[in-house]
Amino acid sequence: SYELTQPPSVSVSPGQTARITCSGDALPKQYAYWYQQKPGQAPVLVIYKDSERPSGIPERFSGSSSGTTVTLTISGVQAEDEADYYCQSADSSGTPVFGGGTKLTVL
Amino acid sequence: EVQLVESGGGLVQPGGSLRLSCAASGFTFSSYAMSWVRQAPGKGLEWVSAISGSGGSTYYADSVKGRFTISRDNSKNTLYLQMNSLRAEDTAVYYCAKGLLPYGDYSDAFDIWGQGTMVTVSS
Repeated sequence: SYELTQPPSVSVSPGQTARITCSGDALPKQYAYWYQQKPGQAPVLVIYKDSERPSGIPERFSGSSSGTTVTLTISGVQAEDEADYYCQSADSSGTPVFGGGTKLTVL
Repeated sequence: EVQLVESGGGLVQPGGSLRLSCAASGFTFSSYAMSWVRQAPGKGLEWVSAISGSGGSTYYADSVKGRFTISRDNSKNTLYLQMNSLRAEDTAVYYCAKGLLPYGDYSDAFDIWGQGTMVTVSS
């Protein structure tokens, strides 16, 4: 089955830039989406179509794509950004697939 | 306000059945594909099932195919998930989620999520 691979954890100090990657063979052909999930809460969409930001999402969140890897970048990380982040895309048949998640720790 | 509210979770024995509901409000329900996504305790997100806006097309993850049935009642703005032959590995928080675009594909982003309902399968 198709898999999206994320690093289990990323740590950054406040004010620095966090980069979370997501790799998958079908990413050159399928859009990627990113979600933020804080403990005990439902996921929140922060990036769609690789790099688009929904209304209400701070500008410090951005997305990019290069080949089989997509990247969520959080510039000027704040304490409130500490959360789990999940990428989502689709396999060749269009079935939604989530990455394993990355825990972002703000030191 | 766009909102999704799930209900119907609980404790069920292995082999048992449960029906989840998701009440939608604040948007034209029939225009959007809807999905169920689950999250086992301490684990990541897993897409479970999706249904087109009209209800004419349904999709399932291999892990639930043949056991779960997704449906919707557009007159009641409600999404359902009938879960049969439940297993311990089905234990999770179940979220309903709205597709990003009207008349969009079921693999689109999910822009609105409910608060989730917990399903525990245990004897």
